[in-house]
Amino acid sequence: DAGITQSPRHKVTETGTPVTLRCHQTENHRYMYWYRQDPGHGLRLIHYSYGVKDTDKGEVSDGYSVSRSKTEDFLLTLESATSSQTSVYFCAISSSGGDNEQFFGPGTRLTVL
Amino acid sequence: GNSVTQMEGPVTLSEEAFLTINCTYTATGYPSLFWYVQYPGEGLQLLLKATKADDKGSNKGFEATYRKETTSFHLEKGSVQVSDSAVYFCALSPPGAQKLVFGQGTRLTINP
Repeated sequence: DAGITQSPRHKVTETGTPVTLRCHQTENHRYMYWYRQDPGHGLRLIHYSYGVKDTDKGEVSDGYSVSRSKTEDFLLTLESATSSQTSVYFCAISSSGGDNEQFFGPGTRLTVL
Repeated sequence: GNSVTQMEGPVTLSEEAFLTINCTYTATGYPSLFWYVQYPGEGLQLLLKATKADDKGSNKGFEATYRKETTSFHLEKGSVQVSDSAVYFCALSPPGAQKLVFGQGTRLTINP
């Protein structure tokens, strides 16, 4: 298994509070991604990173920010959580070039009350 | 744009039945195509992939063939097992883009 961990694995928070999710990899892969998974929508890309301090938006980036200060860590922040951000969040990694095969972390279940 | 459409679920079959999960795509150029599987409470795992037209990906008895003429990548298995119960996702990676575009997923339940 690819070395990807996510923390926390479960979180319950209240509307309006800030939340940070962490993704950590031990594979030294260049690319890292954050997705959210919701019923009927599959996985949708929130943000991704193509190197340290290099990030870009995905299709559902509103309300989210990311940071990558080290190759191994990619943080997803909800500045002010809303109930619509209740979801399961997955981190993924891939190496440069090739066919973009991605490896996924175990996920974080976030509930915003 | 790029998109993936999977057959509506959920799909329920008996053990040893034949499985087909349809997947069609829209993309510019020649994307790479993937099937991922998600077991309950876990992240996604790559099941198989194909990177060019007419390639066949296979793994654990599952197969899918990259059909450029029909823009399809249907997943098949000749005899399913209870342990195949999971959610299956079809995905594409557009050429030159380090991204994946996913279908909505198909939940498969196999009854003994």
